[in-house]
Amino acid sequence: DTAVSQTPKYLVTQMGNDKSIKCEQNLGHDTMYWYKQDSKKFLKIMFSYNNKELIINETVPNRFSPKSPDKAHLNLHINSLELGDSAVYFCASSFTDGELFFGEGSRLTVL
Amino acid sequence: KQEVTQIPAALSVPEGENLVLNCSFTDSAIYNLQWFRQDPGKGLTSLLLIQSSQREQTSGRLNASLDKSSGRSTLYIAASQPGDSATYLCAVRPRGSTLGRLYFGRGTQLTVWP
Repeated sequence: DTAVSQTPKYLVTQMGNDKSIKCEQNLGHDTMYWYKQDSKKFLKIMFSYNNKELIINETVPNRFSPKSPDKAHLNLHINSLELGDSAVYFCASSFTDGELFFGEGSRLTVL
Repeated sequence: KQEVTQIPAALSVPEGENLVLNCSFTDSAIYNLQWFRQDPGKGLTSLLLIQSSQREQTSGRLNASLDKSSGRSTLYIAASQPGDSATYLCAVRPRGSTLGRLYFGRGTQLTVWP
């Protein structure tokens, strides 16, 4: 059983489109995160949720909107996609301040 | 703001060597430090988590040490194998940080050749 799963794994779309990435964890964790890995492989946090409450909202354009319907799910919706949004987006989860477990990543390519 | 540096950026060694990967951080007030490996096109796999009160953690051929006062952690890999080839990342969780605010280094890309 995959602990942190995210879909889709690959996403190719045109500029201006709206897309969503879904994430689910079956580890019973209370905190979920979205990280972005750029072309230089640098990882940076975008959002974190603890018990469905938004905790971190980094300086991310408001075209990015996370939604956590329950503790096991954290989805990322992106409006009006731009070329610069092309990256790999990783979902992760943990217990509060605990060890992080990552999903396999979703590679977004905006044409 | 916490900054995390990993040296070297890349390392290529023959199979069987013992090697050390370095991670340094600028603010010693940390909650914990975590080492990950990332295979090409894959997610991050957690290797070891060291709490701020600990000096080291071991898992199989891996040993991670933490020296908070000097702002350093090392990952020691014994008897390296080709399967160890990957990028190794360290991440620091500062004390008092908002949930999830891990600061990552840029990683050390390790190649172990047969």
